[in-house]
Amino acid sequence: ELKVEQNPLFLSMQEGKNYTIYCNYSTTSDRLYWYRQDPGKSLESLFVLLSNGAVKQEGRLMASLDTKARLSTLHITAAVHDLSATYFCAVDQWGGNQFYFGTGTSLTVIP
Amino acid sequence: GAGVSQSPRYKVTKRGQDVALRCDPISGHVSLYWYRQALGQGPEFLTYFNYEAQQDKSGLPNDRFSAERPEGSISTLTIQRTEQRDSAMYRCASSLVPASGSSPPYNEQFFGPGTRLTVL
Repeated sequence: ELKVEQNPLFLSMQEGKNYTIYCNYSTTSDRLYWYRQDPGKSLESLFVLLSNGAVKQEGRLMASLDTKARLSTLHITAAVHDLSATYFCAVDQWGGNQFYFGTGTSLTVIP
Repeated sequence: GAGVSQSPRYKVTKRGQDVALRCDPISGHVSLYWYRQALGQGPEFLTYFNYEAQQDKSGLPNDRFSAERPEGSISTLTIQRTEQRDSAMYRCASSLVPASGSSPPYNEQFFGPGTRLTVL
């Protein structure tokens, strides 16, 4: 069974600081997805990473994928309060159709 | 345009009752997925459809759980003889293209608001 692990599980950071969330997965996959979930809300798609070395950026968030290391990172630059949410990574396998989600990282940005 | 919708948003039922949860995907989306999300956890796959065909139901916990999508659009997840352990958020997601190992190269899913099920 494919396992997806995120760390840290909880992250409290000050506005203006930088930090990285890590997503490790246990089997070969070329496709990784990042989602954001606000409290009581649904999941919002942030990034789709489709190949080794893929990098995507949107505002203060940048995601990258290293398929050889089975690692994706979500880097936060100069955090602002609006980024407070839970971030999930998810992996699916070529030839498979299930999404395997990580446990999530709960991010709190403190003014 | 309209996103994925689910109804009811909240459902409280007594143990032993049957419940039906509805999902209305984004218009034109071929694939439809059901997930269960426990508090503080990521969504857990239950089952999915391409058009009206149920392609994978390996995530359904037991035979009390079933799902259908008879016309390839709206889907219903039914839980029979509910138990307290069934209490969770049930989420539906849809994807534009058929989920397949050969194509497309990715499967971006769009999630609905969920149905919060509480079994007393």
